[in-house]
Amino acid sequence: GDSVTQMEGPVTLSEEAFLTINCTYTATGYPSLFWYVQYPGEGLQLLLKATKADDKGSNKGFEATYRKETTSFHLEKGSVQVSDSAVYFCALSGGSQGNLIFGKGTKLSVKP
Amino acid sequence: DAGITQSPRHKVTETGTPVTLRCHQTENHRYMYWYRQDPGHGLRLIHYSYGVKDTDKGEVSDGYSVSRSKTEDFLLTLESATSSQTSVYFCAITPGGALSGANVLTFGAGSRLTVL
Repeated sequence: GDSVTQMEGPVTLSEEAFLTINCTYTATGYPSLFWYVQYPGEGLQLLLKATKADDKGSNKGFEATYRKETTSFHLEKGSVQVSDSAVYFCALSGGSQGNLIFGKGTKLSVKP
Repeated sequence: DAGITQSPRHKVTETGTPVTLRCHQTENHRYMYWYRQDPGHGLRLIHYSYGVKDTDKGEVSDGYSVSRSKTEDFLLTLESATSSQTSVYFCAITPGGALSGANVLTFGAGSRLTVL
């Protein structure tokens, strides 16, 4: 079945460092791809999305490109801030019923 | 989490007791979902609803039941709670079926359940 694999955490970076969180997927058809972020004690919030191959999603300095040839959707940010500390989830659309299939999440900690 | 609320936000209960979690939305969205979040597993789908009285099982439905008698409310029931059901439960909504750029999933703030 469809699945998402993302890099294991935790990831610890210093402020202003470059961030990459790897995400690869297995899916039949052409899913939409998403990154969600979960701040401590809160629910998940959509960070960015891409609906077809070669689309680039971007938001708040984060970006990810839908790569069909490598089945990847890696999350990047050029300069992280302490406020980016959170858990990041990669997800794909799971079918006509609209559910999402999630990766296990990657915890990011950014130190001042 | 505008338009979607979960209750209770925290609950501690004992093994064997029934528990009901409530998800309430004011967005008039057709689709509602219950996920559970556990370390090392990410989020896993328990049950979902695609309309009033229309529900279906997800990946980890054993030990759970759901009901949706009104568009705005989706209830998750643990008939006899077990320690393995200690988790954080998230409700989510979306207006349409096929997820695309328009039909994004919106999540509630979560309900933390501890079964002793």
